[in-house]
Amino acid sequence: GQNIDQPTEMTATEGAIVQINCTYQTSGFNGLFWYQQHAGEAPTFLSYNVLDGLEEKGRFSSFLSRSKGYSYLLLKELQMKDSASYLCAVRDDRGGSYIPTFGRGTSLIVHP
Amino acid sequence: EAQVTQNPRYLITVTGKKLTVTCSQNMNHEYMSWYRQDPGLGLRQIYYSMNVEATDKGDVPEGYKVSRKEKRNFPLILESPSPNQTSLYFCASSLSLGGGETQYFGPGTRLLVL
Repeated sequence: GQNIDQPTEMTATEGAIVQINCTYQTSGFNGLFWYQQHAGEAPTFLSYNVLDGLEEKGRFSSFLSRSKGYSYLLLKELQMKDSASYLCAVRDDRGGSYIPTFGRGTSLIVHP
Repeated sequence: EAQVTQNPRYLITVTGKKLTVTCSQNMNHEYMSWYRQDPGLGLRQIYYSMNVEATDKGDVPEGYKVSRKEKRNFPLILESPSPNQTSLYFCASSLSLGGGETQYFGPGTRLLVL
């Protein structure tokens, strides 16, 4: 099984930088995803990490350390529209099925 | 347009009345799954399917059934709904489960069981 931990809620100011952490415990690690979910809407894909290091994609970056069971999502130049829930999902080899498991999500509130 | 569709989007029903939520994808994806999302609990997987006629239980399968007779469709069946199945349901699909293949989610079905 897996144990995925994220902060429940974070607040930040428009234009600032925020880092959302995700820690996990799993065997057979096979990749980590970050999704964004606005209230009442479907999750949408942000990033994928399977090797250690930083993946940068515009204002969003995601980092992974497999040895520490740790990832973070970095959001730069925050905009009001970034107010959403951010979901960390870890995929592992559950008997060969590679099913991703989601954390409970971090609700980010961006204020002016 | 590539998409995952779900119907209905909103449903109010009563305890014990069988219902089906449909899910369809037009991307020829192999893998499909159903999740429920509840406040404070996040997304939890109900059932998944690796391909036609291949389904398996996720983390919270009790009270649900699924079928995968065609590649594009993956309906979720509640034979006898109960109030604890009131939730927001998402269907998702992906080409495979390998590499960076992400899941594409449907718009969600909000279910209230009285």
